[in-house]
Amino acid sequence: GQQVQQSPASLVLQEGENAELQCNFSTSLNSMQWFYQRPEGSLVSLFYNPSGTKQSGRLTSTTVIKERRSSLHISSSQITDSGTYLCAMELWSNYQLIWGSGTKLIIKP
Amino acid sequence: EAAVTQSPRNKVAVTGGKVTLSCNQTNNHNNMYWYRQDTGHGLRLIHYSYGAGSTEKGDIPDGYKASRPSQENFSLILELATPSQTSVYFCASGERTANSDYTFGSGTRLLVI
Repeated sequence: GQQVQQSPASLVLQEGENAELQCNFSTSLNSMQWFYQRPEGSLVSLFYNPSGTKQSGRLTSTTVIKERRSSLHISSSQITDSGTYLCAMELWSNYQLIWGSGTKLIIKP
Repeated sequence: EAAVTQSPRNKVAVTGGKVTLSCNQTNNHNNMYWYRQDTGHGLRLIHYSYGAGSTEKGDIPDGYKASRPSQENFSLILELATPSQTSVYFCASGERTANSDYTFGSGTRLLVI
């Protein structure tokens, strides 16, 4: 079936370092979406990115459909960036989301 | 402010009991979703709905029923709760706009003992 592989599973960085998160997907998709899950559990949509590069502040999402991958880059990380980052691919067939298992990011002072 | 509100936030249920998780959205989205999240699995789709009166099975519907009596409300029902249904449940509303807008509730932590 359709799969989304997310890496790394966890990442520990010092404040100020850059983070690179990856998702690889196994099938044709409509778009890749990135979400942030706060430590207390709530989910926030970060990017809807069907292809190419999108930027929002210190966050940049790049999706390359031909290579079946999407990345999330966080520059100059801050302690408040800590949490779990989830990618989800949106299927062409029915617009359902297939989720990766997440990257837990810990930013240390 | 448009939002998705779930209730209860926390629930302890006994095995074999009935549990109803409620979700209300003020986004006026047609689509609503119920997911569960377990360590190592990400989010898995249980049921979804395209509008009032419709419910569709997701990837893991066994042991769950759903009800969408109105545009705003979408419930998840566990008729006979089991310990394997201990999880965190998220409700979401979504719409196929240019940016594919999704909004999530804060989650319900369910413990079945």
